[in-house]
Amino acid sequence: GNSVTQMEGPVTLSEEAFLTINCTYTATGYPSLFWYVQYPGEGLQLLLKATKADDKGSNKGFEATYRKETTSFHLEKGSVQVSDSAVYFCAPDPTQGGSEKLVFGKGTKLTVNP
Amino acid sequence: GAVVSQHPSRVICKSGTSVKIECRSLDFQATTMFWYRQFPKQSLMLMATSNEGSKATYEQGVEKDKFLINHASLTLSTLTVTSAHPEDSSFYICSARVLVAGGSYNEQFFGPGTRLTVL
Repeated sequence: GNSVTQMEGPVTLSEEAFLTINCTYTATGYPSLFWYVQYPGEGLQLLLKATKADDKGSNKGFEATYRKETTSFHLEKGSVQVSDSAVYFCAPDPTQGGSEKLVFGKGTKLTVNP
Repeated sequence: GAVVSQHPSRVICKSGTSVKIECRSLDFQATTMFWYRQFPKQSLMLMATSNEGSKATYEQGVEKDKFLINHASLTLSTLTVTSAHPEDSSFYICSARVLVAGGSYNEQFFGPGTRLTVL
């Protein structure tokens, strides 16, 4: 099945700083890739996705580009806000890897200070 | 996007009692739902895969007699924590999987979670 290696946190930044959270994956073929976000006390929300190589997913100022040559899907944001404080999870579409289970890594906790 | 609800959002119960958590897909049908458990400051641990009309598939180490899962319809799955104990206190999250129109990939939609506290 598919798996991911995600940058371990926690990550602490000041407001308006640049953010990068690294994610690399191993997979059979080229699965769709997702970033999920979990705000404090809530469930997960899909932040962005890319369904094929070289696609760029974007949402709320966040971007991630599906790089098949480096098997990476790094999350970036040019200027973070306090409201971006959350835990971020990278995950490949499990069904395209022959499994139906979406299994998460440890996630990366981001804290943005004013 | 599709909406998944959970009820209750918070529950406090006494040790030895049973608690039922509902997970509903509000505007779509989900043949497959998943139940996760999350400890403080940790990732989500997949507990089981719930398929409509059949028995749930539990992950290794998860007691199926302790955590009863019922997926009676295409829009409802329930998790019952039987004879709850303080160590069962946790944040429980469900999700529902949908095949995106066009069939190119599956997307999972998550409920807001249920905070269970066992006294």
